[in-house]
Amino acid sequence: SQQGEEDPQALSIQEGENATMNCSYKTSINNLQWYRQNSGRGLVHLILIRSNEREKHSGRLRVTLDTSKKSSSLLITASRAADTASYFCATDGGGTSYGKLTFGQGTILTVHP
Amino acid sequence: GAGVSQSPSNKVTEKGKDVELRCDPISGHTALYWYRQRLGQGLEFLIYFQGNSAPDKSGLPSDRFSAERTGESVSTLTIQRTQQEDSAVYLCAARDRGTYEQYFGPGTRLTVT
Repeated sequence: SQQGEEDPQALSIQEGENATMNCSYKTSINNLQWYRQNSGRGLVHLILIRSNEREKHSGRLRVTLDTSKKSSSLLITASRAADTASYFCATDGGGTSYGKLTFGQGTILTVHP
Repeated sequence: GAGVSQSPSNKVTEKGKDVELRCDPISGHTALYWYRQRLGQGLEFLIYFQGNSAPDKSGLPSDRFSAERTGESVSTLTIQRTQQEDSAVYLCAARDRGTYEQYFGPGTRLTVT
């Protein structure tokens, strides 16, 4: 079953603008990860945030996590056409579920040059 | 190899036939996962191998699905008596011990006609 709910389902912006995607989940987590997928395949890990962290940065990416609201957001700053892809959040429940990821439905991002 | 590889990249089969999908994980990565991704959807967890422990099969959708792994290397996912609803991209991922990030293969696109 899909734990994560992502919104928006699709996002269309111009190059140079910022893109924000949101993810909500239902059960407690050990960590939350964001992945990017191009051309229907090839998931690439972007960033991981642990349950005791509130914000994390990696290059043009900024991830926030609010465990009280069971939500996370991914911000891509100064977007580029090459950022066009589907973005998925994935939660890791830890414990006996350690490493077993539950993915959201994804946000399709289109960046127009 | 440097990354996770999967074969075949595409497979078209007739309803009722059996198929076998192969995953070659990153050398030394002890954990291996199989996921299924239907068109326009997020990933669904199928099965998880960790070293010599019993696999976590909790995501397998029916007894037509099975998977094996030889030690910490190659894994095969077998689908017996395929149905049209089995059409999807099947993705394999590997994770190193003590880390959380998963490295995905390019997937096998299965089409059941």
